[in-house]
Amino acid sequence: DVKVTQSSRYLVKRTGEKVFLECVQDMDHENMFWYRQDPGLGLRLIYFSYDVKMKEKGDIPEGYSVSREKKERFSLILESASTNQTSMYLCASTAGGFYYGYTFGSGTRLTVV
Amino acid sequence: EDKVVQSPLSLVVHEGDTVTLNCSYEVTNFRSLLWYKQEKKAPTFLFMLTSSGIEKKSGRLSSILDKKELFSILNITATQTGDSAVYLCAVTGNQFYFGTGTSLTVIP
Repeated sequence: DVKVTQSSRYLVKRTGEKVFLECVQDMDHENMFWYRQDPGLGLRLIYFSYDVKMKEKGDIPEGYSVSREKKERFSLILESASTNQTSMYLCASTAGGFYYGYTFGSGTRLTVV
Repeated sequence: EDKVVQSPLSLVVHEGDTVTLNCSYEVTNFRSLLWYKQEKKAPTFLFMLTSSGIEKKSGRLSSILDKKELFSILNITATQTGDSAVYLCAVTGNQFYFGTGTSLTVIP
């Protein structure tokens, strides 16, 4: 079974903290993605990566950065957490093109207080 | 602008009812349409559709795609409380586009 693992299910952080969300996949997938999911807004793409050390901005990259030093790991970084970044964060991966759809991680529910 | 629109946004039905969820899209370089079920955590894959008119079935769930009219439907027959979830439609083209989802609640 393809596995996409997100390191934390629930996180509570303070405003201004630097936050790291980790995602690891075990199927040698080239492509990895970070989304946030909010009620009424659906899934919105933050960043994605096609290869090691490669990253592309998605639809809402402001306030976030990413790191992909190894193929299996894609990290999302909130440089200075704000309350409007309280959300569910989903990591996903896929091999090759988008055609085959995603495998999702279990999600991290982040609350910034 | 590429987009995926799902309807209705939410739905409440009684056990045993049949429901139809809708997904329409306008996506450049369409490749596939996917349905996911999300229950409190990550979405899980249900179906991938690439050709018009071919129904995909899995138990009480079925789905079909119309590439001429640019929509898909997801049918659930004899609904059960375990079907309560958000159902996401996604379309792959140059990128991966999600609808906002349909929230289904099945009450006993």
